[in-house]
Amino acid sequence: QQQVKQSPQSLIVQKGGISIINCAYENTAFDYFPWYQQFPGKGPALLIAIRPDVSEKKEGRFTISFNKSAKQFSLHIMDSQPGDSATYFCAAFASGSARQLTFGSGTQLTVLP
Amino acid sequence: SQTIHQWPATLVQPVGSPLSLECTVEGTSNPNLYWYRQAAGRGLQLLFYSVGIGQISSEVPQNLSASRPQDRQFILSSKKLLLSDSGFYLCAWSDQYGRAGSDTQYFGPGTRLTVL
Repeated sequence: QQQVKQSPQSLIVQKGGISIINCAYENTAFDYFPWYQQFPGKGPALLIAIRPDVSEKKEGRFTISFNKSAKQFSLHIMDSQPGDSATYFCAAFASGSARQLTFGSGTQLTVLP
Repeated sequence: SQTIHQWPATLVQPVGSPLSLECTVEGTSNPNLYWYRQAAGRGLQLLFYSVGIGQISSEVPQNLSASRPQDRQFILSSKKLLLSDSGFYLCAWSDQYGRAGSDTQYFGPGTRLTVL
């Protein structure tokens, strides 16, 4: 199974709140999990990524939590700001595959001022 | 540092007309190159990828084709556009040799194509 399931499809959060986006996968060969942030009319930009040898990675207000046994990973945005309003994609990659990332379907985040 | 360019930024074409979108990468050599399409409010659909000059793999049967005439140039083409070809086309690259993390893909700014 190459699919990566992402939820929720859309998310509305108040300024200062915590935004949480979840992803689940089936393919145990996946060993790299990036998150991308996309603003309207722009290409996706790498936000943060994690490998399954760690359970958490934090960069500023963005944290990835990884649960290898459950085959789930999530993005937490602390102190969410209106400037964080964007579409977020999780993805997964299997080493040795020169082909591609498998992307989730995306979450449209709106942070209200 | 590496940069990726796409042009044109926007394009409006009539049904049945040809298409040529170009993508170039600077600051790296022998990159993996990718073409994606993104419909409005939707996810990313991989169309083609290439691991070297003249080497193209197609992910989805369609009205489009891709070519890689030079190491850092990737072209998306169509002989006759369909209405369903409208969308946001994204080119991406990754490093084959792991210097920038071969599993990370870096996206260009995209081309907005509207077929009327």
